[in-house]
Amino acid sequence: KAGVTQTPRYLIKTRGQQVTLSCSPISGHRSVSWYQQTPGQGLQFLFEYFSETQRNKGNFPGRFSGRQFSNSRSEMNVSTLELGDSALYLCASSLVAGEGTTDTQYFGPGTRLTVL
Amino acid sequence: GQNIDQPTEMTATEGAIVQINCTYQTSGFNGLFWYQQHAGEAPTFLSYNVLDGLEEKGRFSSFLSRSKGYSYLLLKELQMKDSASYLCAVKRGGGANNLFFGTGTRLTVIP
Repeated sequence: KAGVTQTPRYLIKTRGQQVTLSCSPISGHRSVSWYQQTPGQGLQFLFEYFSETQRNKGNFPGRFSGRQFSNSRSEMNVSTLELGDSALYLCASSLVAGEGTTDTQYFGPGTRLTVL
Repeated sequence: GQNIDQPTEMTATEGAIVQINCTYQTSGFNGLFWYQQHAGEAPTFLSYNVLDGLEEKGRFSSFLSRSKGYSYLLLKELQMKDSASYLCAVKRGGGANNLFFGTGTRLTVIP
């Protein structure tokens, strides 16, 4: 079974631009979560989508948004990019989300975003 | 507040045993995960604990004490390929399927 895939793998943008990142979960997985990873802050939760609905949201500004399609593929968008948005953006998928489940999240390889 | 503490760096010798500690304070608890992340790669799942006690999986074991807000990952018979960052993460309850991560422990295995 194929793992989580993310595109593109690398991206260079300039301040003020916007960017869209894509994530395809493992086949059959319905929950997709997005994380930002930086050397100083580690992995921080952005948001989670399940059945095309945002179920949870981390503490990030509204410039960060996302969506999920009916096939569970997800995109995240960052508008008005800032230098501090340079990071590795990881998505993770799991089979079934929710209370009482022990579903493991499996991570994709990430998109390395550099903002100049 | 919410917090997960892990040592920043550790060094151990090939063939030895190393214990990586993790203490946490989070709003809600629905399990604790350990992930391994090699430089430039995605985190990969190692272990999961939701009840107190020890979970063993080959060379890797993970322990949890919910009352103490404490976990550790034990790596036995260290190999050079075990050089990586080890991430402790808490899955918070309340229907949240998101993980709250510590900043990770970078383990270096030396010959």
